[in-house]
Amino acid sequence: DGGITQSPKYLFRKEGQNVTLSCEQNLNHDAMYWYRQDPGQGLRLIYYSQIVNDFQKGDIAEGYSVSREKKESFPLTVTSAQKNPTAFYLCASSFRDYQETQYFGPGTRLLVL
Amino acid sequence: AQSVSQHNHHVILSEAASLELGCNYSYGGTVNLFWYVQYPGQHLQLLLKYFSGDPLVKGIKGFEAEFIKSKFSFNLRKPSVQWSDTAEYFCAVNGKSSASKIIFGSGTRLSIRP
Repeated sequence: DGGITQSPKYLFRKEGQNVTLSCEQNLNHDAMYWYRQDPGQGLRLIYYSQIVNDFQKGDIAEGYSVSREKKESFPLTVTSAQKNPTAFYLCASSFRDYQETQYFGPGTRLLVL
Repeated sequence: AQSVSQHNHHVILSEAASLELGCNYSYGGTVNLFWYVQYPGQHLQLLLKYFSGDPLVKGIKGFEAEFIKSKFSFNLRKPSVQWSDTAEYFCAVNGKSSASKIIFGSGTRLSIRP
C-alpha cells in the first residue's frame, strides 16, 4: 500500500528533552512537509523540503529541526527550545511542490510530562 | 497578510439537511483553493480543489464548492448531509508559483445528528 506513515502515534516529552518524530513515504514524492495542528488554529507549516538535502523554514520553525537525507524520510526533531510543544503533528507529501495535492499521514500527538 | 477565514467553528445539522461551510481568503494574485477533510480517526484528505476553469467544483461524496472571485470566497456545499459526513473541514489557499505555501483555515467541525 502506498502512503505516509508516522511514528509514534503518541509521544511524551520531558522537560529539556529533544524528541524526534518519524515520517516515511513510499509515494515517490519529491516534496514533504511538517505541520502543527492546534485546536482552533488549523494547520501551521513548520518546515518543508522539495528535494533531498534541502529544506526551508515554514511559519513556525523556531524550536524545531529537520533533515532530509533520503527522499522517503523527513524526520522532525522537537528541541528543548520549543516551549509549547504539546500539539498534533502532521506530515504530508506531494509529487513535486505546493501545486499538487498534499497527502497526509495519520499524525503524532506530542504531550509534555 | 495572507489568511483564510472559516467563520463557523462548529456546525451541527440533522441528517438530510443542506450544508454550506463558509471560506474567505486574503491572498494576492491568482490562487488555488482546496477543501480538505479529516474524518474521525482517519488521515486528512483532499475533498476537492480549484485551480482554474469552471468555478463550480465537484468533489468526492457529493460535495461541491464555488469560487466567487469578487467575494474572495470558496464555500463548501452539500445538498443533503449524512451521518458519515461528521468530520472536520479545512479550507486552504495558495498561489500559482511552485514555492507558494499553502495557508490553511482554522477548520470547521461538522456534527451530524442521526
